[in-house]
Amino acid sequence: EMQVLESGGGLVQPGGSLRLSCAASGFTFRKYAMSWVRQAPGKGLEWVSSISGSGASTYHADSLKGRFTMSRDNSKNTLFLQMNTMRAEDTAVYYCAKAVAGTNFFYMDVWGKGTTVTVSS
Amino acid sequence: SDEPTQPPSVSVSPGQTARITCSGDALGKQYSYWYQQKPGQAPVVIIYKDTERPSGIPERFSGSISGTTVTLTISGVQAEDEADYYCQSADSDGTYIVFGGGTKLTVL
Repeated sequence: EMQVLESGGGLVQPGGSLRLSCAASGFTFRKYAMSWVRQAPGKGLEWVSSISGSGASTYHADSLKGRFTMSRDNSKNTLFLQMNTMRAEDTAVYYCAKAVAGTNFFYMDVWGKGTTVTVSS
Repeated sequence: SDEPTQPPSVSVSPGQTARITCSGDALGKQYSYWYQQKPGQAPVVIIYKDTERPSGIPERFSGSISGTTVTLTISGVQAEDEADYYCQSADSDGTYIVFGGGTKLTVL
């Protein structure tokens, strides 16, 4: 069974940093693009970032203004999201999602349960 | 903005047909996808590439497209279909993902 499991969420102070991880299993990780999608409390889904299967290409939402960096370690079947200079508006559940192709990341067929990030002093 | 537009809420009685629309300039140029999200759960894709249904999704869920509007139709709505529904597509250039604001389906 294909699964992704997020970890690393927690409480962080404004201006601080946090690194999320997403462990994949049940599929050949390197063959598929991956994405991070977040959902603020009581709000809708917001795309954060995507990365190709090889890791050679990454895409980020313009609103993040370079504060977040996505990467992957295909040898460890793990996806990462490095979040810096965090703000209260980054408070959300962060989902990791698998795409159905290596370079086309638009169709996400497997989602994790999410990890909660709270930015507060 | 490339963000698609959805109605905030739709209400139907059990057994009736629910239709949720999603409009945006990029739709028709880029494929659309629909996700169902129940409280406290992760989204689940129910329609992909405008009209296709993944295996395991009930036949009562269907997708259609007309111009720059895509529609999710739920025929014979059941109480368990009460959830938030999100359409998703890409920007006109196919560079990033965009989600609609979501529609809360209430089964009366």
